[in-house]
Order: sequence, then C-alpha cells, then structure tokens
Amino acid sequence: NAGVTQTPKFQVLKTGQSMTLQCAQDMNHNSMYWYRQDPGMGLRLIYYSASEGTTDKGEVPNGYNVSRLNKREFSLRLESAAPSQTSVYFCASNPGEGATRRAAQHFGDGTRLSIL
Amino acid sequence: RKEVEQDPGPFNVPEGATVAFNCTYSNSASQSFFWYRQDCRKEPKLLMSVYSSGNEDGRFTAQLNRASQYISLLIRDSKLSDSATYLCVVAMNTGFQKLVFGTGTRLLVSP
Repeated sequence: NAGVTQTPKFQVLKTGQSMTLQCAQDMNHNSMYWYRQDPGMGLRLIYYSASEGTTDKGEVPNGYNVSRLNKREFSLRLESAAPSQTSVYFCASNPGEGATRRAAQHFGDGTRLSIL
Repeated sequence: RKEVEQDPGPFNVPEGATVAFNCTYSNSASQSFFWYRQDCRKEPKLLMSVYSSGNEDGRFTAQLNRASQYISLLIRDSKLSDSATYLCVVAMNTGFQKLVFGTGTRLLVSP
C-alpha cells in the first residue's frame, strides 16, 4: 500500500533552473496539498487542490505553480528556482468531502531540494 | 503571536517515564485537532486525532480544552522508539482542510 508517493527524493538545482516535483496518491482522495518545511518553522501550505480540476493558493505560493493532472496526481513546479526555495517539500492528501473533510492528511516522504 | 505554539524542548526522559506536551492555538474557530509524529528528516505521520471528550490510544492520551484553546499529549511508559518530534496541528475544514502546524516538541528517550 504505497499511500502518497513523491519523486524525486533529492534534487540540487542552480539558481534560475526549473523543475517539477511529482506527487501521486493511491487512496482515491479528493484533496491534495503541497507544503514546505524550513528549520524552526512549521509546515507551510504552498498550494492545494480541494478536488480534481481545482487548485488554489496557500500561505506561500510565490515562485510556484501547480497542476492537478488527474485525481491521483498533483505536481509542483518551480519555474525559476531561487536559493530561498531550498527546503523540504511534502505532498499530502485527504478524502476531502463531506464528513471526511475532517479526516487527517497523509504525507509523502518528502523531496529535499537544494538551490545553489 | 504564532497560531499554534509549542514548547520546542527537547524533553529528555528515561525509558518508562511519563511525559506530557502542551500546545495552545489562537483561532477559536479551529475545528479539528491532531498530533503528528515526525522522525528526523522524515515525513509527518498521524499519531492521533484529538476529540473534545479526550481520547486514548494505548500509551498515548490526548486532551482538548476548547475554552482555553489548549491541547495536550500524554505519553506513558516511554520507549526509546518514542524519540521524535511531536507536531501539534489544528485544522479549519471550510471548503478544504487548512492545517496549521506547530513547530514541534522534540522528545528524547534514553536507556
């Protein structure tokens, strides 16, 4: 049972390069989320997709774009990477409808991204 | 003021000890509450949801006080494997589930 799968696990980029972080879930969840985690700070929401076909900005969306490719997949793109985007990125999902909207989110094992 | 505040620790305890963590939140409209566990350089994993009446899962007990906007986690009979960072998380569930994370409390259990 894979749950939430993220690729790649590690990446080093140069300033100005672009890349896409991939996320897929096999739990038939409607809602998916992208977070970043920096030292001394709680996880912060970058973007979310409440359901297939919708995406919205979270707390720290600048410098990122997302695509909800289908119900399973939600990708995060850095168009022009900056050193300030060095972080650990987590994707998460939860059922997201009705009473199950309150259900806890399940996280992927993260992408560690360094931008030089 | 942070929306969710936790003592960062570390809490150093011997095996078998009982340890309690506290967390306060600022948004009185928060609707769901969770404790997540995060091991070093790993993803957060749900430890338990927190219900208004309080709830227990084995050695773990969680309490919620909505009036004081306070959440607690009690760990009894600590094991070495309990060493981790414990994240207090509160949620709003309007349209989507907005989670607000504390920065975590680090627990170190020693032999």
